Amino acid sequence: TQLLEQSPQFLSIQEGENLTVYCNSSSVFSSLQWYRQEPGEGPVLLVTVVTGGEVKKLKRLTFQFGDARKDSSLHITAAQPGDTGLYLCAGAGREDTGRRALTFGSGTRLQVQP
Amino acid sequence: DTGVSQNPRHKITKRGQNVTFRCDPISEHNRLYWYRQTLGQGPEFLTYFQNEAQLEKSRLLSDRFSAERPKGSFSTLEIQRTEQGDSAMYLCASSPGQGPSYGYTFGSGTRLTVV
Repeated sequence: TQLLEQSPQFLSIQEGENLTVYCNSSSVFSSLQWYRQEPGEGPVLLVTVVTGGEVKKLKRLTFQFGDARKDSSLHITAAQPGDTGLYLCAGAGREDTGRRALTFGSGTRLQVQP
Repeated sequence: DTGVSQNPRHKITKRGQNVTFRCDPISEHNRLYWYRQTLGQGPEFLTYFQNEAQLEKSRLLSDRFSAERPKGSFSTLEIQRTEQGDSAMYLCASSPGQGPSYGYTFGSGTRLTVV
């Protein structure tokens, strides 16, 4: 079982629609990062959130870290075909095990139809 | 510096053969990570180095797997006696430090197919 559960697993929407992707865990993390991955390539960092309750905006993308630092969400406004890809959340500094390397979620595959 | 470089990009091998992958991180990054990713899944942690010291290994890293970073620069990941279950994308990443503000820079990966 994946420690970080992402939902939905797949999302196919039309250009211009809004969407939200969720990342949930039973573990507390010191920070959480979101990456986007395109086929045949490695993940690319989008944002890091550190403080519980923190909200960060990156153009049409809004990221939120839960108050308890166990969950996060990514909201995309007016999705474009260029947003298509695999969105991965990754937690750093697990408090229960002390793992220092990032733990990745299962991913949400987004397809935006023109 | 052009980022994290991984070689080869693709490797097809017969079951039972040994394979070795190479990763060249961003030169000023002292941390290097290896992950494995199978289709439809997120990357799974294998191991990480701070300079030449291997500081953490996942239980996924069986005794057939070994990783080195001899001079704290490039790293190699070797898989001995490959099995079909080893087929996956092997990703390398580097970061300049430890802490919540440091994101990882990933390479494009090595796709291994064991036939």
